[in-house]
Amino acid sequence: KQEVTQIPAALSVPEGENLVLNCSFTDSAIYNLQWFRQDPGKGLTSLLLIQSSQREQTSGRLNASLDKSSGRSTLYIAASQPGDSATYLCAVRGSTLGRLYFGRGTQLTVWP
Amino acid sequence: SAVISQKPSRDICQRGTSLTIQCQVDSQVTMMFWYRQQPGQSLTLIATANQGSEATYESGFVIDKFPISRPNLTFSTLTVSNMSPEDSSIYLCSATPGQGIETQYFGPGTRLLVL
Repeated sequence: KQEVTQIPAALSVPEGENLVLNCSFTDSAIYNLQWFRQDPGKGLTSLLLIQSSQREQTSGRLNASLDKSSGRSTLYIAASQPGDSATYLCAVRGSTLGRLYFGRGTQLTVWP
Repeated sequence: SAVISQKPSRDICQRGTSLTIQCQVDSQVTMMFWYRQQPGQSLTLIATANQGSEATYESGFVIDKFPISRPNLTFSTLTVSNMSPEDSSIYLCSATPGQGIETQYFGPGTRLLVL
């Protein structure tokens, strides 16, 4: 069974810092990996999706990398802002249109 | 992309009663999923809802407790039956459009409190 781990569980930083959130998974035979953001009391917002054949994806200040062979992904947030405060979830999919396996998330707080 | 809405957004229910949560997608989607997120925890998949067939339940979840309907390609319901306080959670509907679009989208969730 696929297991997804996210480190750290929580992170509190002043604004302006560059951040790295880590995600690891036990079964490297994934189809794709998706990073989500969840604000308190809200649903999940998709940030980036990386196919298993890709090494990274970028969107604005966010960059996600994937090393499938070692079972790792990182989400890099540049020049963090208070509006980035949220829980960030990593999820992997084992097959096309299959279910997602989620990590427990990293709770990020960026203070002014 | 797909925009997903859920009703109700929140509810407080008495134990022993049932609640049906509705999930509406603004476009036709191939796969729909129902997740539960208990306080402080990550998401747990309850079942996969396919149009025209029975839902597929994950280990620990049964149809009698969580009956699901998927009458068409844009709509699904999840019923939480015979509720107990342990069912207090956020229930999230999710969908993957398919046909080359593999991003999974989520609804805003339904916050359920069972007294």
